Amino acid sequence: GAGVSQSPSNKVTEKGKDVELRCDPISGHTALYWYRQSLGQGLEFLIYFQGNSAPDKSGLPSDRFSAERTGGSVSTLTIQRTQQEDSAVYLCASSPILWGEQFFGPGTRLTVL
Amino acid sequence: DAKTTQPNSMESNEEEPVHLPCNHSTISGTDYIHWYRQLPSQGPEYVIHGLTSNVNNRMASLAIAEDRKSSTLILHRATLRDAAVYYCILRATMDSNYQLIWGAGTKLIIKP
Repeated sequence: GAGVSQSPSNKVTEKGKDVELRCDPISGHTALYWYRQSLGQGLEFLIYFQGNSAPDKSGLPSDRFSAERTGGSVSTLTIQRTQQEDSAVYLCASSPILWGEQFFGPGTRLTVL
Repeated sequence: DAKTTQPNSMESNEEEPVHLPCNHSTISGTDYIHWYRQLPSQGPEYVIHGLTSNVNNRMASLAIAEDRKSSTLILHRATLRDAAVYYCILRATMDSNYQLIWGAGTKLIIKP
């Protein structure tokens, strides 16, 4: 079946603009996770959803970052007023149960000029 | 705060076993240990996870120290396709919520 998909695959934006990143999890997966990976670095955990609920938003880097999930499926990560330090690959993963085996998408490479 | 420590890189010969260490001295009793790997230009993929007992699956084995302050991922017979960055992760409880604490990863180099 289809895996986790993310769009766009690449996004180049100017400093100060808002961007929206989309994640389509595997159908039926109740949990969804967002990560950020800077060049040559490990993964930084941002937020997770159980259904449509995000119990803990403390991993988001700043209040410019927000995420939502609707219908227990698609999730969007929104970054307002982008800064150059936001440049990274943003990865989404889903799992059939919370904290179970995670299946990752290919990521969105965000470049802020 | 919970954290994991891994060597930056390791080398191994093809078709030999590989032991990838991870220290997590601040682990608490309810923290699970997960391992993922990331092949070049790909998203991470699940390898194995455990809590207290050693675990085996088709990909690898996970040996957890009795005090749980360290663990070792064992690849029984490395192939060139196992060359990747291996991440040791704690699923830690923080303020009644869970967080995933990813280590910096070990880059595994397989020599033919």
